[in-house]
Amino acid sequence: DAGITQSPRHKVTETGTPVTLRCHQTENHRYMYWYRQDPGHGLRLIHYSYGVKDTDKGEVSDGYSVSRSKTEDFLLTLESATSSQTSVYFCAISQTGTSAGTDTQYFGPGTRLTVL
Amino acid sequence: TQLLEQSPQFLSIQEGENLTVYCNSSSVFSSLQWYRQEPGEGPVLLVTVVTGGEVKKLKRLTFQFGDARKDSSLHITAAQPGDTGLYLCAGSDSGSARQLTFGSGTQLTVLP
Repeated sequence: DAGITQSPRHKVTETGTPVTLRCHQTENHRYMYWYRQDPGHGLRLIHYSYGVKDTDKGEVSDGYSVSRSKTEDFLLTLESATSSQTSVYFCAISQTGTSAGTDTQYFGPGTRLTVL
Repeated sequence: TQLLEQSPQFLSIQEGENLTVYCNSSSVFSSLQWYRQEPGEGPVLLVTVVTGGEVKKLKRLTFQFGDARKDSSLHITAAQPGDTGLYLCAGSDSGSARQLTFGSGTQLTVLP
């Protein structure tokens, strides 16, 4: 199994509070991703990183920010959590993101976030 | 935004039966991947298909990429309870796995 951990694994918070989720990898992979998974929607990309301090927006980036100050850590921040951000959040890593489209993404165990 | 539609959304079958899950789009993908996800865990890659018409076999699982690279199917022969899980297809539309579009998933339950 790829060395990916996510913390916390579960969190309950209130509307309007800031929340930060952490993804940590021990594989030294260049690419890191944050997805959210909701019933009926599969996985949707929030933000991704292609190197330290290099990030880009995904399909559902509104209300989220990310930071990557070192290769192994990718942080996802909800500046002011809303109930619509209740979801399961997955971090993923990949080694090369090759143009052939054959790169493998390895997923972490997920963080279940509930915003009341 | 490219969309991938999976069908059926839910499938419950008896052990030993065969089944097929479909993944369809109106868009062309440069590659398509199938993942399997168990409760409380992240998705795990099963296979990647790249060439139109390509067929790959993984034990009792057969994956096919459509000739036009707009659709794919997953066929399971003689399903077992251990096959139970959420099956997700994901397409790469930019020639890079950095941008994957996921289908909504098929929840498969195989009853003993």
